[in-house]
Amino acid sequence: KQEVTQIPAALSVPEGENLVLNCSFTDSAIYNLQWFRQDPGKGLTSLLLIQSSQREQTSGRLNASLDKSSGRSTLYIAASQPGDSATYLCAVGVRGSRLTFGEGTQLTVNP
Amino acid sequence: EAGVVQSPRYKIIEKKQPVAFWCNPISGHNTLYWYRQNLGQGPELLIRYENEEAVDDSQLPKDRFSAERLKGVDSTLKIQPAELGDSAVYLCASSSGTGDKDEQFFGPGTRLTVL
Repeated sequence: KQEVTQIPAALSVPEGENLVLNCSFTDSAIYNLQWFRQDPGKGLTSLLLIQSSQREQTSGRLNASLDKSSGRSTLYIAASQPGDSATYLCAVGVRGSRLTFGEGTQLTVNP
Repeated sequence: EAGVVQSPRYKIIEKKQPVAFWCNPISGHNTLYWYRQNLGQGPELLIRYENEEAVDDSQLPKDRFSAERLKGVDSTLKIQPAELGDSAVYLCASSSGTGDKDEQFFGPGTRLTVL
């Protein structure tokens, strides 16, 4: 059974800092990996999708990497802003389009 | 382009009452998912549809939960009767179902409180 772990569970940083969120998974036989953002009381917003054949994806200040062999992914956020405050969820896609989620990292960026 | 639409956004019911949630996916997305998210946890898949067919319902508690997607577009998830432990956010997602490029897009969710 695929298990996804996100570390740290919570992170508080000052505005402007670069930061890294970590995601690890137990079964390397994945189709893809998605990073989501969830604001309080809201649904999930897709940030980045990395296909199994890719090593990284970039969107604006966000960069996500994937290392299937070690079962790890990182989400790098450059020059963090208070508006980046949210919970970030990592989800691993396996055969049959099933996503297995981690429990998320709650990020607070302080002005 | 409109995103995934869900209604209602909030629902409060007494235990043993029935409840239903509705979802309209992104236009053209053949695959529809229902997830349940408990407080402080990531979402867990309940059921996945490919057009009208439920292709993965292994996590759906079939004694009290049912779902349908009659015309392969919008979908309804029902709980009857509801229990206290069903309090959660119910999320609907859709995708175009294209292998490892299959990106899932989520609706705002329905927050269910069972008293």
